[in-house]
Amino acid sequence: KNEVEQSPQNLTAQEGEFITINCSYSVGISALHWLQQHPGGGIVSLFMLSSGKKKHGRLIATINIQEKHSSLHITASHPRDSAVYICAVRGYGQNFVFGPGTRLSVLP
Amino acid sequence: DSGVTQTPKHLITATGQRVTLRCSPRSGDLSVYWYQQSLDQGLQFLIQYYNGEERAKGNILERFSAQQFPDLHSELNLSSLELGDSALYFCASSAGTSNQPQHFGDGTRLSIL
Repeated sequence: KNEVEQSPQNLTAQEGEFITINCSYSVGISALHWLQQHPGGGIVSLFMLSSGKKKHGRLIATINIQEKHSSLHITASHPRDSAVYICAVRGYGQNFVFGPGTRLSVLP
Repeated sequence: DSGVTQTPKHLITATGQRVTLRCSPRSGDLSVYWYQQSLDQGLQFLIQYYNGEERAKGNILERFSAQQFPDLHSELNLSSLELGDSALYFCASSAGTSNQPQHFGDGTRLSIL
C-alpha cells in the first residue's frame, strides 16, 4: 500500500460542476499540501493544512487528522481548472511523500 | 510569476556526465527545496536547505549533491548521469523551515542521451 493515495485517478467534469478529489495517507504527518500542476508542467501550491479547513476563491481544502484523509473541493468548475492535482504529506521526519495525482479535465 | 528562478530550463547531456542546476529563491525566502519528477516515479522530494544548512533529506542519490550559498541561491549537482536521471527537476522556496506554503520554479528538464 502506498503511503499517499488519491482518488479518483482521472476525472472529467462539465463546466460548473462541483468537484471533489480525495487524499488518504497512512503515516503520521505534520502538514498536508495540495498542489496544482498545469499541462505546461508548472506547479502551484494551493493549500498547506495541518488541521481543519481552508478556502481560497472557489477552492476548499479540508483535512481530518484522525481519519488520515483530506479533500480538495472545486466549486463552479471551469475549463481553466483542468490540471493534475497532487496531494503531498510531510512526515515528522520532515520528508515529503507525494500522491500519484488526479488528472482533472473540465469540459466547456 | 512565483519569484523562484531556475536555470537552465532545458539541459541535454550524455550518460556519465555531470551537470549543475541552479535555483534562486523568492526574495526573503530562506528555505530551498529540490524535487525530481520522472514519468515512472512521479514527484519525489530530494533535499531541503534552510539558510545555508541542510534541513531535511529525502530520496537523494549519493551521486547527487546540493548546497545553499550565503546569498541563498542553491545548486543541485548531478554526477555520473544515467538514463534514469532524465526528469524534471523543480526547486521551491518558502519563508521558514517547515509547514509553510512553497513557491515553485518552472523546473529544469534534464534529458540524458
